[in-house]
Amino acid sequence: DADVTQTPRNRITKTGKRIMLECSQTKGHDRMYWYRQDPGLGLRLIYYSFDVKDINKGEISDGYSVSRQAQAKFSLSLESAIPNQTALYFCATSGNRFEQFFGPGTRLTVL
Amino acid sequence: KQEVTQIPAALSVPEGENLVLNCSFTDSAIYNLQWFRQDPGKGLTSLLLIQSSQREQTSGRLNASLDKSSGRSTLYIAASQPGDSATYLCAVSTSGGSYIPTFGRGTSLIVHP
Repeated sequence: DADVTQTPRNRITKTGKRIMLECSQTKGHDRMYWYRQDPGLGLRLIYYSFDVKDINKGEISDGYSVSRQAQAKFSLSLESAIPNQTALYFCATSGNRFEQFFGPGTRLTVL
Repeated sequence: KQEVTQIPAALSVPEGENLVLNCSFTDSAIYNLQWFRQDPGKGLTSLLLIQSSQREQTSGRLNASLDKSSGRSTLYIAASQPGDSATYLCAVSTSGGSYIPTFGRGTSLIVHP
């Protein structure tokens, strides 16, 4: 089984809808991250969490929120989706060597 | 602020060639550097992690080197195969940046038969 899982893997939604992307990990890592990837722009950090009680904004947090429900679970929400949030979203974790491990990604399309 | 550059952005080579992918970074006070492989529309797979105290790491046909003083890392792929076709990204972490990696935009590699 994969160490970092993301659900859903694909999602098509409409402008204005609320969307939640979920991430779970079995690696026992404290640190978790949400990134988005757009062609030509590379990976950009949305939010990160160093433990259950520590959540921080990344470089592009506007329009997003997160929840760290447990050490193993980190969810990303789009409160009111807009078309320019169409992207590939990745969850990642890291442990005490700060090596990053990525989930398979969620392809989100906002119409 | 750390900046990571990968050149070239794209590379096409015939099967069997040995090749080198480059990664440069502006802040040499790094903690570690990680190389990833990404297939189209897929997640990032970690290939090699080099700690700041190391000069190189090897895994199979892959060898990654690190030269902190010059702000460079190279990923050497020996005897390339069509299955090596993918995008290769490097990411650099620094203690001053809370160990959050800064990613390059990647090199898109095509190995043709």
